[in-house]
Amino acid sequence: AQSVTQLDSQVPVFEEAPVELRCNYSSSVSVYLFWYVQYPNQGLQLLLKYLSGSTLVKGINGFEAEFNKSQTSFHLRKPSVHISDTAEYFCAVSDPGGYQKVTFGTGTKLQVIP
Amino acid sequence: SAVISQKPSRDICQRGTSLTIQCQVDSQVTMMFWYRQQPGQSLTLIATANQGSEATYESGFVIDKFPISRPNLTFSTLTVSNMSPEDSSIYLCSTQVGGSLFFGSGTQLSVL
Repeated sequence: AQSVTQLDSQVPVFEEAPVELRCNYSSSVSVYLFWYVQYPNQGLQLLLKYLSGSTLVKGINGFEAEFNKSQTSFHLRKPSVHISDTAEYFCAVSDPGGYQKVTFGTGTKLQVIP
Repeated sequence: SAVISQKPSRDICQRGTSLTIQCQVDSQVTMMFWYRQQPGQSLTLIATANQGSEATYESGFVIDKFPISRPNLTFSTLTVSNMSPEDSSIYLCSTQVGGSLFFGSGTQLSVL
C-alpha cells in the first residue's frame, strides 16, 4: 500500500516570502501524486496533480510542485505567499489508473505572517 | 471536475442518536467515497460506495456503525449510528474524476 509523509506539521512564513512544503511517498514503479488545500471550515480543493509527463507541475493560485522519482518526493512551492494562502495543505498518493485508493499525508499548516 | 453539495454543514448531536449526511453530485459518477477527518488529523477512508452494490468498508469501519446508501449515480448518504463523543469529526464525501478526487464541503459533527 502507498504511504506519504509530510515532514512539517506547521510552517510559518512571512508574507511575500517563498515557501516549500515537503512531501515524500513510498516508492513504487509509478504513482499519481496530488496536493490539496483545505481552508478553515471547508472541504478539500485540488491544487495540482502529477499523473505523468513533465515533472514540474503548475497548479492554481501560483503553486507548483516537482516530481522527483529518485528521491520519491513531490514538494510544493510558491515563490511569494499571500495572507490568503493560510490554510492546511495535504499531499496525497495513489496507484495509477482509475478508482484507486488515495492515501493522504498528515497535512502541513501554512501560516502566513503579515 | 465534479461539484458536490454536502449537507448538513455542521451538527451537534446527543450521544446514542444517529445522523445522516447527504451528498449530491452535479454529474453521474460510478464511485463515491466517504472520509473521516478527526480533529488535527488527516483524512481516513471509511468506505467506497458503488451504485447498485453494497459499500466496501476499510479496516476499522463497519456497516452497522456507518451504513451507506447509493440509490443512483448522483447521490449518496452516510449515517453515523449510535453516536459517541469519539465520533466527533469532519465527514467528507468525494468522487474521482480524471484520476483526481473532488470533495464536498464537509460535515462537522460534534457529539455531546
